[in-house]
Formats: sequence, C-alpha cells, structure tokens
Amino acid sequence: NFMLTQPHSVSESPGKTVTISCTGSGGSIASNYVQWYQQRPGSAPTTVIYEGNQRPSGVPDRFSGSIDSSSNSASLTISGLKTEDEADYYCQSYDDNALQVFGGGTKLTVL
Amino acid sequence: QVQLVQSGAEVKKPGSSVKVSCKASGGTFSSYAINWVRQAPGQGLEWMGGIIPMFGTANYAQRFQGRVTITADESTSTAYMELSSLRSEDTAVYYCARDLNWGQGTQVTVSS
Repeated sequence: NFMLTQPHSVSESPGKTVTISCTGSGGSIASNYVQWYQQRPGSAPTTVIYEGNQRPSGVPDRFSGSIDSSSNSASLTISGLKTEDEADYYCQSYDDNALQVFGGGTKLTVL
Repeated sequence: QVQLVQSGAEVKKPGSSVKVSCKASGGTFSSYAINWVRQAPGQGLEWMGGIIPMFGTANYAQRFQGRVTITADESTSTAYMELSSLRSEDTAVYYCARDLNWGQGTQVTVSS
C-alpha cells in the first residue's frame, strides 16, 4: 500500500524559511501529482500547492513545492514565515489505483 | 470561482445512516471529480471516495467499501455522500472537495 509520511511537527521563527517533507513508501512519489493543503484551527483545508509545484491564485509565492525522486519525497517550503502561516499542513497524492492518499499532517508553529 | 456549500450538522444514532450534500456553483460540474474527506476529532484528513459526475461511477477507499455511497446529480450540481451502519468512531467533520476548492465541512455526531 502506498503511504505518505510527514513529520508530526515543525517550528521556526518569523521571517525564516521552513520545509515540510512528505515521504512516500510502497510506491514512487514521482508517479503522481502531489498536493499540499493548509488547515488553520477550526477551518476547512485550503489548497496551497497543486500538481507538485503550482500555486492557486491568491496563494503567495512564499509557498513552493518540489519533488525529490532520489529520496522519494515531496517538500513544501514556506519562506519569509509569518505568524498567519501557523497551521496544519497535509500532503496528498494517489496510489496505483488512482485512489487518494493523505499524509498524516504536520503542525507548523511560528514562534 | 467554484463554491462548494455543504448541508448542515447531523446527530445520528449508532446503526443509522447519514447523507451529506455538497452543492457546487461556478465552473463546470460534470467533468471534475468531487471527493469526500473526513476528519475525526484531533485527527488528520482521510479520503473516503470520489466521483466524476459525467461518468457516474464512484471510487471508494477500501476501509469504507460497502458502507459509503457517493452519488452526483448533474441537474442540481450536487454531490452526496451517504454513510451507513454508523458507529461512534464515525463522529467527524466531513468535507467535499473539487478541483482546488473545499466545502465548509459538515459535522456528523454519532451518539446514543
């Protein structure tokens, strides 16, 4: 079974850059698109990255996505951290049957 | 811009069923997949299944096979997710998602 593993939590200071990893197992992460979702407490998720490295309109270019086939992982990088970036972040991709798979989520603390 | 508006909160008894709706406005309804994702209290996001309305056939996560039914009504641009044989562990917020957009979520509480 294809699975996505994320760190439980990360923290960084305002103005700095943070990278959240999403490691695939049971398949190649490069085989399908990866999406990233932001979820603030008490709110529905929103899409911050789709198709690996595309930003929906309205998402600042401080957010970027990438894939590293050598480590079978995807990454979400947020630069110039702001306190408003504090949220849970989830990666999502697909298994070999085109069924969606989510990572367990990463809590980002901006302190 | 696509908007997804879901039906309101539900309280259900164990063993019963719940049907949640998701009405889409803006964009083309039939050709985009609509997915259903749930989030139990304090837990992460869990994909339940999805449907492309123009094809009409839904795909489901294995753990929900036989208990969930996802349908779509093209005439009203509305998707539905019905979950049966409810148990307390099904207490969660249920979201629909289409393209880059998410619904506001529907709280389903299962309690005797």
